[in-house]
Amino acid sequence: DTAVSQTPKYLVTQMGNDKSIKCEQNLGHDTMYWYKQDSKKFLKIMFSYNNKELIINETVPNRFSPKSPDKAHLNLHINSLELGDSAVYFCASSQDKRAQTYEQYFGPGTRLTVT
Amino acid sequence: QKEVEQDPGPLSVPEGAIVSLNCTYSNSAFQYFMWYRQYSRKGPELLMYTYSSGNKEDGRFTAQVDKSSKYISLFIRDSQPSDSATYLCALGKPGNTGKLIFGQGTTLQVKP
Repeated sequence: DTAVSQTPKYLVTQMGNDKSIKCEQNLGHDTMYWYKQDSKKFLKIMFSYNNKELIINETVPNRFSPKSPDKAHLNLHINSLELGDSAVYFCASSQDKRAQTYEQYFGPGTRLTVT
Repeated sequence: QKEVEQDPGPLSVPEGAIVSLNCTYSNSAFQYFMWYRQYSRKGPELLMYTYSSGNKEDGRFTAQVDKSSKYISLFIRDSQPSDSATYLCALGKPGNTGKLIFGQGTTLQVKP
């Protein structure tokens, strides 16, 4: 009964390739997020979707494109992968209800290594 | 200057010690304050959540917020080796559609 799940858990790929990461939540939440955690463990928001609508779009290269087919799923597609994209990518979700929006639950992460 | 500052540590304490973890912030607009615990190679786990000044207690954990000083703390009483993890503070502003600003995280090691 995993709350927020991500696939794959590990992703090793070469520069220039295109890859996707998938996220699913079974918490009934309205809002989903993508975060990036760098090698120093600094966690930074990239995108958020509320009921399939893009809400937050931080300063992220347009090689990164999120897609939300429904409110329980949020995918991240990355084109033309670069060495600097190597990081751990976390999906999270929350209710869309004032203070509860900030009560976010994270998935296990996808460790992306670009060689 | 970063919006949220957190000493990365590492912090090493003996089992049973009281641990104090802290974050400072610069923007008084922050109203929501979270503490996450992250074990190695796992996702962050929400530990404590408060949106007012004062203390909030949950078992061995106490979260403290001092908005006048722009300072938040997490205290762990009777620390256990299983508390060894990275602790991240995260802050949110009202109307910011859920955008959390994270501290750098403090790595804690509790030695048996």
